Amino acid sequence: GAVVSQHPSRVICKSGTSVKIECRSLDFQATTMFWYRQFPKQSLMLMATSNEGSKATYEQGVEKDKFLINHASLTLSTLTVTSAHPEDSSFYICSASYGSSYNEQFFGPGTRLTVL
Amino acid sequence: GENVEQHPSTLSVQEGDSAVIKCTYSDSASNYFPWYKQELGKGPQLIIDIRSNVGEKKDQRIAVTLNKTAKHFSLHITETQPEDSAVYFCAASIRSEKLVFGKGMKLTVNP
Repeated sequence: GAVVSQHPSRVICKSGTSVKIECRSLDFQATTMFWYRQFPKQSLMLMATSNEGSKATYEQGVEKDKFLINHASLTLSTLTVTSAHPEDSSFYICSASYGSSYNEQFFGPGTRLTVL
Repeated sequence: GENVEQHPSTLSVQEGDSAVIKCTYSDSASNYFPWYKQELGKGPQLIIDIRSNVGEKKDQRIAVTLNKTAKHFSLHITETQPEDSAVYFCAASIRSEKLVFGKGMKLTVNP
């Protein structure tokens, strides 16, 4: 149980284009989803927290107009990297929780984004 | 806000040895402490967690201890195997708030 999937697993795009990454909870309803970014040999950095049906809460320093997050249903959240640049190349990981009183999160397999 | 420190950053052991990873946290209100294993190119996988109302938890070869007074918690892996090689992250959170991660430790288990 508690399986989270991401699609695509890896994507290569040209600078200036937009890329959408999907995060799905497969066997539970995720009241909260989180988006992280991880650079090589570094820890996970939280980008934003989203609750179904409401606007995402972005961490300090994360541009909300560049990283668009939509959490339209209890099983799907999307992250769109707009006007991607090479410095946006990273490993993007989502996680989901079903709102227990403790913040137990289940992580997806990640999406490797390479911007040329 | 919460700050989580993790050490060592790398550890190399022989197969069959034990490995210990230590983390400290700063906010005494933190009450949830998960440990994640991340293999290369994959997402983190929860391997064990502990909540502030217990001091120790064990699951087969893995155990976690929590010292609330000292604000530190540790992961113990016994009888290590090559497939235990990965990066391990500790994290801490206050009820219903975001996880704060340590910087990770790369464990290498040599056959």
